[in-house]
Amino acid sequence: EAGVAQSPRYKIIEKRQSVAFWCNPISGHATLYWYQQILGQGPKLLIQFQNNGVVDDSQLPKDRFSAERLKGVDSTLKIQPAKLEDSAVYLCASSRTSGPHNEQFFGPGTRLTVL
Amino acid sequence: GDSVTQMEGPVTLSEEACLTINCTYTATGYPSLFWYVQYPGEGLQLLLKATKADDKGSNKGFEATYRKETTSFHLEKGSVQVSDSAVYFCALSVLLSYGQNFVFGPGTRLSVLP
Repeated sequence: EAGVAQSPRYKIIEKRQSVAFWCNPISGHATLYWYQQILGQGPKLLIQFQNNGVVDDSQLPKDRFSAERLKGVDSTLKIQPAKLEDSAVYLCASSRTSGPHNEQFFGPGTRLTVL
Repeated sequence: GDSVTQMEGPVTLSEEACLTINCTYTATGYPSLFWYVQYPGEGLQLLLKATKADDKGSNKGFEATYRKETTSFHLEKGSVQVSDSAVYFCALSVLLSYGQNFVFGPGTRLSVLP
């Protein structure tokens, strides 16, 4: 079974530029999550999708961040415009369904550096 | 709000030493508890979990028991190996009316020396 795929693996941009990250979850997984992991901290949940609908985006900075999951499979996370404090690793995870007992499978992450 | 507190690292041990990484939590509901591990250069992966009080999760020689009375989920291993060197994250998941809240601790870096 293929794991969660993410691209790019690394991205360096200047502040005020835009950037997009892509995630392909494990086949058949209905729930998809985006996390932000700042260096030295644990992952912070940004947004959760169930199929192609948003379940929870309460921690997503909506003035600059947006995410979509068209057709309930792949997802993209965009930052526009980026700030210095957005430098972090962006993790995508998926699980078969939503629910507190379900294991989340994580991708390798995209490391973003904002200069 | 929901939160997870872990002992600060880094933790450095010699091979075959005993390991305990403390984890305590605060949750608005009845959480499931997890330990995730991140090996150097790899993504996060589930190590073990427990879904109700007094459950013991175990995997690869690691164990953790869900203690509701002390709101704790400490990770233990009797004899660590060099290959256990990694960052360990304690996490909780709480069911909400509209989905689930998933909260990670800050992580504890473990280095095991030969």
